[in-house]
Amino acid sequence: QQQVKQSPQSLIVQKGGISIINCAYENTAFDYFPWYQQFPGKGPALLIAIRPDVSEKKEGRFTISFNKSAKQFSLHIMDSQPGDSATYFCAANNAGNMLTFGGGTRLMVKP
Amino acid sequence: ETGVTQSPTHLIKTRGQQVTLRCSSQSGHNTVSWYQQALGQGPQFIFQYYREEENGRGNFPPRFSGLQFPNYSSELNVNALELDDSALYLCASSAGWVSGANVLTFGAGSRLTVL
Repeated sequence: QQQVKQSPQSLIVQKGGISIINCAYENTAFDYFPWYQQFPGKGPALLIAIRPDVSEKKEGRFTISFNKSAKQFSLHIMDSQPGDSATYFCAANNAGNMLTFGGGTRLMVKP
Repeated sequence: ETGVTQSPTHLIKTRGQQVTLRCSSQSGHNTVSWYQQALGQGPQFIFQYYREEENGRGNFPPRFSGLQFPNYSSELNVNALELDDSALYLCASSAGWVSGANVLTFGAGSRLTVL
């Protein structure tokens, strides 16, 4: 019930391309869905987040698409850059303010 | 604004020993949570502290315990260390829900190796 499943585990994209990472959840009590970016040797940093009453949120090159009925959400990175190479985690928040993270996607953007 | 700082950055312990990890919250943040991140996996919630009280706990045994101090800094204690406790331990602080968002600021973590 508390799982968040993330795919793919790894992703290679050419510079300028679109990176797409998908997540699915089961627990309908989740009420907030952030995405975190983690560089080697660093802690995760909040990238963008969405609430389930919104179907899409865009901030710069980063867009979250949210499908409440399918219990799925995805991160799209437009015009991907080598500096975007990092590990990305989707997460879901429950009423206890506990974040449940997906397993992570290791993104490599080739120049 | 100094962000979240954790210490030590790396440490090695042997099975059965005890460890204390420390975390200084970002200025203005009153809530601290701890996560365990095994190699190649996503972080797993251990527990959260608000106003020096534990107010949320994940699926971790009682040998994982914590404290929050009046200045909102925090400690994570793990007793009777097991090999599977080897992981990166992340501390995150937040100011709670602001404008519909709960922004967690993570530290760089303490990497624990249990031999």
